[in-house]
Amino acid sequence: DQQVKQNSPSLSVQEGRISILNCDYTNSMFDYFLWYKKYPAEGPTFLISISSIKDKNEDGRFTVFLNKSAKHLSLHIVPSQPGDSAVYFCAAIYSGGSNYKLTFGKGTLLTVNP
Amino acid sequence: ETGVTQTPRHLVMGMTNKKSLKCEQHLGHNAMYWYKQSAKKPLELMFVYNFKEQTENNSVPSRFSPECPNSSHLFLHLHTLQPEDSALYLCASTSMSAAYEQYFGPGTRLTVT
Repeated sequence: DQQVKQNSPSLSVQEGRISILNCDYTNSMFDYFLWYKKYPAEGPTFLISISSIKDKNEDGRFTVFLNKSAKHLSLHIVPSQPGDSAVYFCAAIYSGGSNYKLTFGKGTLLTVNP
Repeated sequence: ETGVTQTPRHLVMGMTNKKSLKCEQHLGHNAMYWYKQSAKKPLELMFVYNFKEQTENNSVPSRFSPECPNSSHLFLHLHTLQPEDSALYLCASTSMSAAYEQYFGPGTRLTVT
């Protein structure tokens, strides 16, 4: 049973436009959420996170929105750039647990076209 | 070297071979992880080490054997693997001060023939 779901395997947007990547979760114990970006032949790199006490966190061109009632979060990239083309993973964690176990989604491949 | 490094980057092995994957972190972190990433599947946590002690074994078959001699090094010993074990194996580390933000190595692409 997948607890973190990224239902869109891929997304294609034009340079300069907004990219919106979506993520849903089923475990109501999750209280911290992260987005990772992965280029080919590299490991995932941390991008942005949000605690469940917030509904929005912004860092430059990247904004993460959290809707706890819908168990849904999204990553907005504005404006999108070709260098943003990568696989984006959503991850969630229950901070009260041990071992800092992240639960990942399958990822969404974002392609930003020049 | 900085960050998290993994060697080898690519490995092809037969089902009867024994090999080891190595991970090293230069970040002063105290927790290290092994993940498996198969095609079209989420990253699967395999093992967690905290201050060199194994604190999580996520129902991983015994043909995978981890070793953590110190907080900077993590190994994954492989023996009698199956073709379905072919995957990208990722190592990650984290610190107590930013426990949720895991830093990943580039991974080892393993092919079992």
